[in-house]
Amino acid sequence: SAVISQKPSRDICQRGTSLTIQCQVDSQVTMMFWYRQQPGQSLTLIATANQGSEATYESGFVIDKFPISRPNLTFSTLTVSNMSPEDSSIYLCSVRRSAGGENEQFFGPGTRLTVL
Amino acid sequence: AQKITQTQPGMFVQEKEAVTLDCTYDTSDQSYGLFWYKQPSSGEMIFLIYQGSYDEQNATEGRYSLNFQKARKSANLVISASQLGDSAMYFCAMSDYNAGNMLTFGGGTRLMVKP
Repeated sequence: SAVISQKPSRDICQRGTSLTIQCQVDSQVTMMFWYRQQPGQSLTLIATANQGSEATYESGFVIDKFPISRPNLTFSTLTVSNMSPEDSSIYLCSVRRSAGGENEQFFGPGTRLTVL
Repeated sequence: AQKITQTQPGMFVQEKEAVTLDCTYDTSDQSYGLFWYKQPSSGEMIFLIYQGSYDEQNATEGRYSLNFQKARKSANLVISASQLGDSAMYFCAMSDYNAGNMLTFGGGTRLMVKP
């Protein structure tokens, strides 16, 4: 399995500010994803982080609100911009080693964000 | 479009007994994968077990087994010999190969193991 770390593990932020979450994997992976889990809810895919190109966003998520970077095959960042209390969630990074590795998708420990 | 349904929002099981968590799915694709994850109160998502749509045998991983009934589009998770540490949220998810291998999650089932 891949070892995935996320920073920060949790944060409390003020409305209107931005937070950047980092995801580091211990080995090269082809696919990296960012998910959001709102309180008491299931996971929702925000976007697929593509190396060297713009992320692919799911319906309801836009680049201006959730800019994503992926400079190499082991690292990605998600920024939550101009935060409001509705952004309070757990944000999870997820990886697959290869596009064909459908049976192995792992998650980082998550970043628990509270917006006041 | 695909959809994952977990009809049990919460379940109790006595320690050392077996429990089945239900999951049904809906997809028009012939090739797909089914996953189960455990999420303890810490928030991390722990991969438990995987079943491919073309796998003829039910997947097993230790105390976890997946009861895959393709014609009924169900992929129930069976946990044998429940332990107190099994208390957590459990999520069923499906991967659609034709849509970039993205996982779609069900609403989850909260399992509580009683001593």
